[in-house]
Amino acid sequence: KQEVTQIPAALSVPEGENLVLNCSFTDSAIYNLQWFRQDPGKGLTSLLLIQSSQREQTSGRLNASLDKSSGRSTLYIAASQPGDSATYLCAENNAGNMLTFGGGTRLMVKP
Amino acid sequence: DAGVIQSPRHEVTEMGQEVTLRCKPISGHNSLFWYRQTMMRGLELLIYFNNNVPIDDSGMPEDRFSAKMPNASFSTLKIQPSEPRDSAVYFCASSLEQALGGYTFGSGTRLTVV
Repeated sequence: KQEVTQIPAALSVPEGENLVLNCSFTDSAIYNLQWFRQDPGKGLTSLLLIQSSQREQTSGRLNASLDKSSGRSTLYIAASQPGDSATYLCAENNAGNMLTFGGGTRLMVKP
Repeated sequence: DAGVIQSPRHEVTEMGQEVTLRCKPISGHNSLFWYRQTMMRGLELLIYFNNNVPIDDSGMPEDRFSAKMPNASFSTLKIQPSEPRDSAVYFCASSLEQALGGYTFGSGTRLTVV
């Protein structure tokens, strides 16, 4: 059974800091990995999708990397803002086309 | 496209009642997924359809839960009879084959069973 782990579970930083969220997975037959953002009481918003053949994807201040050999992905947020406060979830898609989610990292950016 | 559309947004029902949650996937997506989210267990996959056919329902908790996808544009998740432990947020998601473009989630249905 695939397992996806995210650390830290919670993170509080002052505005302006660069930060890294970590995601590790056990399934080496990964098809792609997706990062989501979830605001309290809301649904999941897709941030970045990395295919297994790619090493990273960038969107604005966000950069996600994928290292299949070590079973790790990181989400880098540059110059964090209070509006970045949310829960960030990574999810691995194996060849069976089903997502396995990590437990999430709850981020708070203080002004 | 309006995205994945779920209804209702909120549902409060009494224990023992039947609950039906609805989902309209993105047009052209041929895979549909039902997830449940709770504080204790996070996001759990309940059932997955491909081309309207259930592929994996191993996550369905028990026989009280059933899901259907009568056509490519509509799916339902039914709980009968409902119990307080079913209280959670239920998400529907859709994707293209093999999730080449990733998954798109609906806004969810917050179910409270009292």
